[in-house]
This record gives sequence, structure tokens and C-alpha cells, in this order.
Amino acid sequence: RKEVEQDPGPFNVPEGATVAFNCTYSNSASQSFFWYRQDCRKEPKLLMSVYSSGNEDGRFTAQLNRASQYISLLIRDSKLSDSATYLCVATGFQKLVFGTGTRLLVSP
Amino acid sequence: DAGVTQSPTHLIKTRGQHVTLRCSPISGHKSVSWYQQVLGQGPQFIFQYYEKEERGRGNFPDRFSARQFPNYSSELNVNALLLGDSALYLCASSSEGSYNEQFFGPGTRLTVL
Repeated sequence: RKEVEQDPGPFNVPEGATVAFNCTYSNSASQSFFWYRQDCRKEPKLLMSVYSSGNEDGRFTAQLNRASQYISLLIRDSKLSDSATYLCVATGFQKLVFGTGTRLLVSP
Repeated sequence: DAGVTQSPTHLIKTRGQHVTLRCSPISGHKSVSWYQQVLGQGPQFIFQYYEKEERGRGNFPDRFSARQFPNYSSELNVNALLLGDSALYLCASSSEGSYNEQFFGPGTRLTVL
């Protein structure tokens, strides 16, 4: 079983749609969680940290459920520029553990 | 402010050769981590260095080694290259010895023929 699992997608949505990505992690000792965004052939860029109380940054909302070892990312009012791969990340023992990423395609 | 820089941007090598990749962290950051990303996968952790000491090592063979210099820049060395080493090699810096909020450089794309 992978340490961090994500649905690889792709998720094809029209502009303005709301889309949700889910992620599970296997290491119950993980302390910190993040969502990164990666554009094609570019480096991952930190989108947001994920806190137990949930957090929001504009159109993006991240939630963490420690009991279920589950992380989510909600994107509201999708823009064409949101098209990218979204990487779920959990901290492991002395390292960051990335999921394989979920690809999002937003169409006009 | 300059972000994380890496060199070279692209590299082509043949099997059996060795390669050295370089990384300069964000100014003020003392921690550097290295990751390998193959096509269609998320980045895989290779090493983390903090204050010139190795703090973590991923599941990679001994052909992979790294070091950090007094100015906090870092090198990743790979010996006896295999075709499977072809990947994007990413360097990330963070402000502490922990693993919070790492910021990535543009990567070095290595092709092994």
C-alpha cells in the first residue's frame, strides 16, 4: 500500500465548477500535511498547508480528518488557470511523502 | 528575493557515467532536500541535509550520495548511472531542520541513454 494515495484522474470540469480531491495517508504519525500544485514539466509549488481545523484560501479549502487519515482539497469556481496536477503531501519519518498527484483539466 | 536555484537544467548522460547536480537554497534557509520524480509519479525523497549534516535518507541505492556546503548549497551525486535514473531531480529548501513548507527549485532533467 502506498503511503499517500490519490485518485490520479484526470478530472475534466467546466469553468466555474466546484471540484474536490481526496487523499488518504497510511502513517498515523504524520504531523503536517500540504497540497502542492505542479504544472506540466515544472516544479511543485506549495498551494496550502492543511490544518486539523480546516483552512481556506480564496477559492481553495483544505480539510484534514486525522481519525480517518484523510485529506481533501475543494476548489470553487474553477478557472482555466487551475488546470494542473495537485499533489497531496504528508510528513513521514524525516521526509515529505508525496502522492502520485491528481490531474485537473478545466475547460471553457 | 531569489528562489531555489538548480544547475544544470538539463543533462544527457550514458549508462555507467556519473553526474553531479547542484542546488542553492533560498537565502536564509539552512535545510536542503533532494527528490527524484519520474514521469507520472510524485516526487520521491532521496536526502535531507540540515546544517551540513544528513538528517534523512530515502530508499535509494548507495550510488546516490549528497553533501551540503558551509554556504548551505548542496550537491547530489549519482554514480554508475542506469536507464532508470532518468528523471526530474528536484531540490527543495526550508527554513528549519524539519520538513515544513519546502520550496522547490525548477529541477534538473536527467536523461540516461
